[in-house]
Amino acid sequence: DADVTQTPRNRITKTGKRIMLECSQTKGHDRMYWYRQDPGLGLQLIYYSFDVKDINKGEISDGYSVSRQAQAKFSLSLESAIPNQTALYFCATSHTASTGELFFGEGSRLTVL
Amino acid sequence: RKEVEQDPGPFNVPEGATVAFNCTYSNSASQSFFWYRQDCRKEPKLLMSVYSSGNEDGRFTAQLNRASQYISLLIRDSKLSDSATYLCVVSWNTGNQFYFGTGTSLTVIP
Repeated sequence: DADVTQTPRNRITKTGKRIMLECSQTKGHDRMYWYRQDPGLGLQLIYYSFDVKDINKGEISDGYSVSRQAQAKFSLSLESAIPNQTALYFCATSHTASTGELFFGEGSRLTVL
Repeated sequence: RKEVEQDPGPFNVPEGATVAFNCTYSNSASQSFFWYRQDCRKEPKLLMSVYSSGNEDGRFTAQLNRASQYISLLIRDSKLSDSATYLCVVSWNTGNQFYFGTGTSLTVIP
């Protein structure tokens, strides 16, 4: 089983719908991140969390919200999805004292029609 | 201006060739540097960290030039299995955030 698990892996939805992407990890890491990847733009940070009580906005947080339900769980919500949120979303974790290795989930491909 | 910039390629090279990728970063206070590999439709995975003195891992050599703010990755004796996108990653502020380049696409041709 993967150490960082994302659900759903693929989702097609319509404009205006609320969507939640979930991430859970078994690595015991404190730090968790949500990124989106678009062709030609690389990975952009949406939100990150260093522990259950710590939530921080990243580069592109508008239109998104997150919840850190437990050390192992970090969910990303799109309250009212729009087509330009069509992208590949990755959850990642890292250890507090990490030299920098991020461990990624397999990604959630979201299409907003 | 992007925090981290890479030539997107694509680089198409024959098996056995040597290929080099460069990456530049904008923040002179950057502290940590990495190369990640991403296969098509898969998640990125750490290839290697980049240290100030340069470092090597088998056929892969990474170099850091702080004065010019660039990082390089050299792949010797390219294999078909090296075909992937290579992402340059930089962090500062003790790893609070990681900034990714857009990636350089490599295809190794038989």
